[in-house]
Amino acid sequence: GAVVSQHPSWVICKSGTSVKIECRSLDFQATTMFWYRQFPKQSLMLMATSNEGSKATYEQGVEKDKFLINHASLTLSTLTVTSAHPEDSSFYICSASLAANTGELFFGEGSRLTVL
Amino acid sequence: DAKTTQPPSMDCAEGRAANLPCNHSTISGNEYVYWYRQIHSQGPQYIIHGLKNNETNEMASLIITEDRKSSTLILPHATLRDTAVYYCIVRVAGSARQLTFGSGTQLTVLP
Repeated sequence: GAVVSQHPSWVICKSGTSVKIECRSLDFQATTMFWYRQFPKQSLMLMATSNEGSKATYEQGVEKDKFLINHASLTLSTLTVTSAHPEDSSFYICSASLAANTGELFFGEGSRLTVL
Repeated sequence: DAKTTQPPSMDCAEGRAANLPCNHSTISGNEYVYWYRQIHSQGPQYIIHGLKNNETNEMASLIITEDRKSSTLILPHATLRDTAVYYCIVRVAGSARQLTFGSGTQLTVLP
């Protein structure tokens, strides 16, 4: 299957700092990528839809000024958690679509953020 | 997207077939059934998808009932590495559409 890579796989930061997570589609071009967040023992929740060359679309309740998303190329989307707080500690996962007709999504390995 | 219902947990003996059910009684004619799984602390992994015909690949088989209101994912010979949360998702195809995850089924393969 198609490969989606995230970096870093885990990060620890101090409260108040900003953290950037990269999501790359390694062997295909992705005009649309999706960012999910997963808290312990919960399911994945969609945060935002990232479109190449345009502003991201955020789900209700997700602060766009806190979770900055940039999708500057067809193979790279970034999520920046600004002024991180302990409640932002979570597992962040990106995904991208391979096939336009059936639309299965392929997911990155996830990035675990711990804010101290 | 149509809602799905899955049992919260299942056990399966190693080497035996694991049959994971999913109900999607409100599925529309243009909605596909997708199955993903998530091993602990990893991103979800695509398994298989189908519209109305049964499908098989190297990972699993997908059996969709004739009325399309339910489906079963079959792992023919479960191994310990198949222990994961399995998600059944129904949605219209299209690359610009996200997947909405429910609670899934925690499959535990027992030695």
